[in-house]
Amino acid sequence: AQKVTQAQTEISVVEKEDVTLDCVYETRDTTYYLFWYKQPPSGELVFLIRRNSFDEQNEISGRYSWNFQKSTSSFNFTITASQVVDSAVYFCALTSNTGGFKTIFGAGTRLFVKA
Amino acid sequence: DAGVTQSPTHLIKTRGQQVTLRCSPKSGHDTVSWYQQALGQGPQFIFQYYEEEERQRGNFPDRFSGHQFPNYSSELNVNALLLGDSALYLCASSWGTGDNQPQHFGDGTRLSIL
Repeated sequence: AQKVTQAQTEISVVEKEDVTLDCVYETRDTTYYLFWYKQPPSGELVFLIRRNSFDEQNEISGRYSWNFQKSTSSFNFTITASQVVDSAVYFCALTSNTGGFKTIFGAGTRLFVKA
Repeated sequence: DAGVTQSPTHLIKTRGQQVTLRCSPKSGHDTVSWYQQALGQGPQFIFQYYEEEERQRGNFPDRFSGHQFPNYSSELNVNALLLGDSALYLCASSWGTGDNQPQHFGDGTRLSIL
């Protein structure tokens, strides 16, 4: 079965703090894709990053970085020097061929960044 | 370059009625997926359309049906509405088979059932 777990329901930080959002996934496939999306209050999900199962290189994009570890089935997301505009719900998602490549989303982590 | 557009933005219906939601994909995209997002939860996959056919379907009853038109736009139909159908309905588009492609989402239609 495919599953994505985001154990942190809500996180509250003060501006300029670093924050890490956790994501743990389950799949028996060897080929799969992991995604992070951001959902601001407007409702539209915004794509942040895609990672395939064969690429374990960490990635940095500005203040965002992602740590993919197959050994622990985790794909964690870190925001460095958080800003108020980072306040949103963040979703981790998984697609794999066993699931017919249906996208499975985690329950999301709501991030509050206070000024 | 227009993104994914959905209509209407909000909708109020009563139990037993039926509803049709509409989606226009991002320019250049040919695959459309629909999701149901209940309050405080992640999006749940309903189904995906490609080349005017339903490619994949999630765990939703037959009351949920859809259609894709030659111009790639899509409709989601829900019959015999239940209170539990109250949710934000999201449309997402992508290019090609969409299997590993990032999806572009619309702002959603918020459906309330009274």
